[in-house]
Parts: sequence; C-alpha cells; structure tokens
Amino acid sequence: AQTVTQSQPEMSVQEAETVTLSCTYDTSENNYYLFWYKQPPSRQMILVIRQEAYKQQNATENRFSVNFQKAAKSFSLKISDSQLGDTAMYFCAFMNTQGGSEKLVFGKGTKLTVNP
Amino acid sequence: DAGVIQSPRHEVTEMGQEVTLRCKPISGHNSLFWYRQTMMRGLELLIYFNNNVPIDDSGMPEDRFSAKMPNASFSTLKIQPSEPRDSAVYFCASDRDSYNEQFFGPGTRLTVL
Repeated sequence: AQTVTQSQPEMSVQEAETVTLSCTYDTSENNYYLFWYKQPPSRQMILVIRQEAYKQQNATENRFSVNFQKAAKSFSLKISDSQLGDTAMYFCAFMNTQGGSEKLVFGKGTKLTVNP
Repeated sequence: DAGVIQSPRHEVTEMGQEVTLRCKPISGHNSLFWYRQTMMRGLELLIYFNNNVPIDDSGMPEDRFSAKMPNASFSTLKIQPSEPRDSAVYFCASDRDSYNEQFFGPGTRLTVL
C-alpha cells in the first residue's frame, strides 16, 4: 500500500520569506500523480499544485513550486514570497493511476503559519 | 460552476440517530469520492464511485456506514446508528475521467453526542 509522510507537523515563516514543506512517499508503482492541497481555517480543500510522475520538469504555479525527486520518492513544496493568506494546513497526496484507480492517499499535514 | 455542494454544513446529533450527508458533484464529473477527516487518522477515503457505480468501498469503517449514488448529480452517505467516534468532517469530491484532479466540497462537520 502507498504511504505518504510529512515529517514537519508545524512550520512558521516570516511574511515575504521562502519556506519549503517536505513530503516523502512510498510506492512500487511507476505511474502516479502527486499533489499539494491547502486547507485554510475555512477547512475548504484547495488544490495548490500537481505533478505527473512521468514528467521530469518540476511543476510551478506562481509563487508555488515543487522539487520532485522520483528516485528518492520526495516531493517538497516551496512557497516563495510568503503571504499572510498562505497560513493553512498543507497536505501532500498521492494518486496511483495504475488500473484506473483515482484514490488519493494523504499525508498527515503540515500546519504553516506566516507571521507579519 | 457552483463547485461541489454538500449539505448540511454542520450536523449535531445524538448517539443512535441516523445521519444522512448529501453531495452534488460538479456537472460533467463522473467520479465521486467520500473522505473523512479526523485529528487521529487524518484524511482517509471512505468510498468512491465512477459513473454511479461503487468502485472501492474498502475504507468504509463498518456496516453502519452506507453510500449511494442514484444518479450522476447526487450522492448520500448514511450512518445508522451513529456513534460519538463518527464525529469528523466529511468531504465529498468529484473528478472527471482521466483528468486526475479532485475538487472538494466545503465539508460537513458532524458531531455525535
């Protein structure tokens, strides 16, 4: 079974600084997707960024980028120019696409606080 | 598009009562997922449907839980009888085949006293 590990339960960063959230996963599959979801206090789950495992290029979305290391099974999220609105729980998630499955497996989350 | 719609947003009930949570997926999406979020277990998939057919219900905790999808625009998750340990936030999400991007509803916070 696939597992996702987020080793940082909590992190904090000063506004305008850069922060990196860690995520590792365990799978024997070759085709899969990785995601970062943001959950602010409103508890809405918001997709931040996704990465297809077959793509070598790291995904980027404005201030958000990932460092995808397939061999190391690592998928970290970098937030540049942190803003107060980035304060939230961040969840790393894995989707194995073999056999048509769309099941998401989530890590336990990292609580990020952006300080003014 | 209105996004995934869930009702109710909050539900408080007493142990032993029946609880029904409802979900309307995004129009055109043919996969629907029910997740549960607790402090202890995090986010976990309960069941998912594809084209209204249950595909994977291995996450359904026990027989007290049941889910249906009678048509492409509506699903229910029922707990009967409810227990205090069922207290959690229940999310519904939907996706379109091969798109591999799930959109979540706002969740239902369930409290069982």
